Parts: sequence; C-alpha cells; structure tokens
Amino acid sequence: AQTVTQSQPEMSVQEAETVTLSCTYDTSESDYYLFWYKQPPSRQMILVIRQEAYKQQNATENRFSVNFQKAAKSFSLKISDSQLGDAAMYFCAYRSYNGNKLVFGAGTILRVKS
Amino acid sequence: DTGVSQDPRHKITKRGQNVTFRCDPISEHNRLYWYRQTLGQGPEFLTYFQNEAQLEKSRLLSDRFSAERPKGSFSTLEIQRTEQGDSAMYLCASSLNNRLNEKLFFGSGTQLSVL
Repeated sequence: AQTVTQSQPEMSVQEAETVTLSCTYDTSESDYYLFWYKQPPSRQMILVIRQEAYKQQNATENRFSVNFQKAAKSFSLKISDSQLGDAAMYFCAYRSYNGNKLVFGAGTILRVKS
Repeated sequence: DTGVSQDPRHKITKRGQNVTFRCDPISEHNRLYWYRQTLGQGPEFLTYFQNEAQLEKSRLLSDRFSAERPKGSFSTLEIQRTEQGDSAMYLCASSLNNRLNEKLFFGSGTQLSVL
C-alpha cells in the first residue's frame, strides 16, 4: 500500500518570503500522480498543484512550484512571495495512475506572519 | 454552479443513533467520492461512485456505513448505531470522468460529533 509522509507538522513564513513544505511517499508503482491540496479554515480542500510521475519537468502554478525527485520519492512544495491568504493546512496526496482514490499525508499547518 | 454542497455542516448525535449526510456534486460530474478526516490527520478514502454505481469501498467502511447515489445525482452517507470513534469530518468530492486530467472539487464537509 502507498503511504505519504509529511514530516513538518507546522511551518511559519514571513509575508513576501519563500517557504518549502516537504513530502515523501512510498510506492512500488512507476506511474502515478502527486498533488498538493490546501485546506483553509473554511474546510474546503482546494487543489494547489499536481505532478504526473512520468513528467520530469517540475510543475508550476504562479507562486507555487514543486521539486519532484522520483528516485528519492520526494515531492516538496515551494511557495514564493508568501501572502496572508496562503495560511492554511497543506496536504500532500498520491494517486495511482489507474487508481480512484487519493492517499493523503497528515498535513502541514502553514502560518504566515505579517 | 455553486460547487459541491454538503448538508448538514455540523451534526451532533448521541452514541447509538443513526445519522445521514447528503452531498450534492457539481451537476455535470459523474464521479463522486466520500472521505473521512479525523482531527490532525489527512482525509481517508471511504468510497466512490461512477454515476449510480458504487465501484470501490474502503475497508474503513464497516457494515454500519452505507452510501448511495440514486440516479447518479446526489449521494447520501448513512452511519447506523454511531460510535464515538465515528466522530470526524466527512468530506464529499466530485469530478468529471477524465482520467488524465481529473480534478477533484471538494465540499466543505459535515462535522460529526458523537457524544
């Protein structure tokens, strides 16, 4: 079974600075998808970014980018120019290429200081 | 289109009672998922539907849990004989059946407290 580990329960960043959230996963599969989701206090999970394992190029979405290291099974999220609205719980998630379910990590609380 | 709606937002019940939650997906979405999230943890998969067919169930879904999606529209999740361990947030998500670019849209969840 696949597992996802987020080793940072909580992180803090100063507004306008950059922060990196860590994620590692365990799988024996070669094709899969990885995701970062944001869960603000409103509780609604929002997709931040996704990465296909067969793509070597790291995904980027505006201020959000990932560092995908397939051999190391690492998938970190970098948030540049942090904003107060980025404060939330961030979850890393895995999905098999032909699977139907997401496997989530335990999450990292991100606090943004003004 | 107002997104995925879940009702109620909060539910407090006594141990042993039955509860039912409702999820209304985005109207054109044919895939619907239920997840459970306990405090301090990430969501855990419970079950998923494609149209009205329930195609996968987690072993977390004990025989006290049942989910339906009549006519492939809204879905209900019922928990019978609730236990304190059932206290959690129950999240619903929906998507279009597009394997390569599937994007899940989540509701705001139903927070269940079993006293």
